[in-house]
Amino acid sequence: EPEVTQTPSHQVTQMGQEVILRCVPISNHLYFYWYRQILGQKVEFLVSFYNNEISEKSEIFDDQFSVERPDGSNFTLKIRSTKLEDSAMYFCASKEGVPQSSYEQYFGPGTRLTVT
Amino acid sequence: AQKVTQAQTEISVVEKEDVTLDCVYETRDTTYYLFWYKQPPSGELVFLIRRNSFDEQNEISGRYSWNFQKSTSSFNFTITASQVVDSAVYFCALSEAERDDKIIFGKGTRLHILP
Repeated sequence: EPEVTQTPSHQVTQMGQEVILRCVPISNHLYFYWYRQILGQKVEFLVSFYNNEISEKSEIFDDQFSVERPDGSNFTLKIRSTKLEDSAMYFCASKEGVPQSSYEQYFGPGTRLTVT
Repeated sequence: AQKVTQAQTEISVVEKEDVTLDCVYETRDTTYYLFWYKQPPSGELVFLIRRNSFDEQNEISGRYSWNFQKSTSSFNFTITASQVVDSAVYFCALSEAERDDKIIFGKGTRLHILP
């Protein structure tokens, strides 16, 4: 069964460093998402992406964050200058169909980011 | 505004007992989707069920069952004859299909099944 993959599974970085989290969505999917889960807390929406542009972003997704689909298969989340509070599990998700439809969002296994 | 409330932060039951996880939601839309996800200690999100707002039929899948009641804006999840492997954090979630499709999660209920 097709699945969303994410690399790395765990990333440790120093405060102030740039980090790129990578996701490979399911191949025929058109909609892409990033979510964040700070340890022990709920999963929070960051951003949705369709047709090479951001569809929606949350308040969390400030200028330090950016997303890109550089090569038609990968979907990346970049954090320009990491802060301690960026430590979290980051989940990528993808969906096949259009919004306002019943198509399922498939979640990847997550990347645990630790900022020291 | 859309919101999902899981009032039970943590529940402990003895193996083989039944347990119900509560979920109450708020939305302005008439078309929306409700979800339950399981997050085991390994951290991944395991999809359990999606229910659209027009389908109020209860659903049963093995030991799992879901009770959707629009009148009380609730979507409760029951595990029958619980097992130690059911120990996890369970998230209820909502997506407003008419507006956007981001998924809004509740804070989760940590379930401990004691042997």
